[in-house]
Amino acid sequence: QKEVEQDPGPLSVPEGAIVSLNCTYSNSAFQYFMWYRQYSRKGPELLMYTYSSGNKEDGRFTAQVDKSSKYISLFIRDSQPSDSATYLCAMSVGSGTYKYIFGTGTRLKVLA
Amino acid sequence: DTGVSQDPRHKITKRGQNVTFRCDPISEHNRLYWYRQTLGQGPEFLTYFQNEAQLEKSRLLSDRFSAERPKGSFSTLEIQRTEQGDSAMYLCASSLAGATGELFFGEGSRLTVL
Repeated sequence: QKEVEQDPGPLSVPEGAIVSLNCTYSNSAFQYFMWYRQYSRKGPELLMYTYSSGNKEDGRFTAQVDKSSKYISLFIRDSQPSDSATYLCAMSVGSGTYKYIFGTGTRLKVLA
Repeated sequence: DTGVSQDPRHKITKRGQNVTFRCDPISEHNRLYWYRQTLGQGPEFLTYFQNEAQLEKSRLLSDRFSAERPKGSFSTLEIQRTEQGDSAMYLCASSLAGATGELFFGEGSRLTVL
């Protein structure tokens, strides 16, 4: 079992839809969580960074962390064709090691 | 441009040749990371530096791979005697030290081994 699981998709939605992207993890020591957007043949671009549990909102993006369920989510409101990309979750234990473990990524396609 | 810079962006080489990639992190960041990404997969951790010290290495980093950060600024990743399985995107990222912080990635160096 991988430490971080993410449905690879692809996920196709119409423009304007609310998108929900999710990751589950097995290591209860993870405390730092990030979401990245990656366009084809480009480096990952940081979208959201959260520490521990709770919600964080930034424009059309909301990140949720539920540590009791070992589950994190990224919501995209009013999705646009320009949101079409692969979305990667990443997480880290923090103290003692600073490496981030990534999910495989979910491919999202927003249809105009 | 104040982002993470990687060079070259794409390298095509023949099996058995050596290749070297360079990464220039964001100037005030003292942590630097190397990740490898293959098609359809998320980035896999290879190694990271705090200043010039290499603090952690993955088992993925075989003896053919070596990374350096001689003055705590730019870093190089060298692959000796390349194999076709080394074909991947090599990503560099940097972050501030202190509490575990956000990783900022470069555009990557794509390696194709023929």
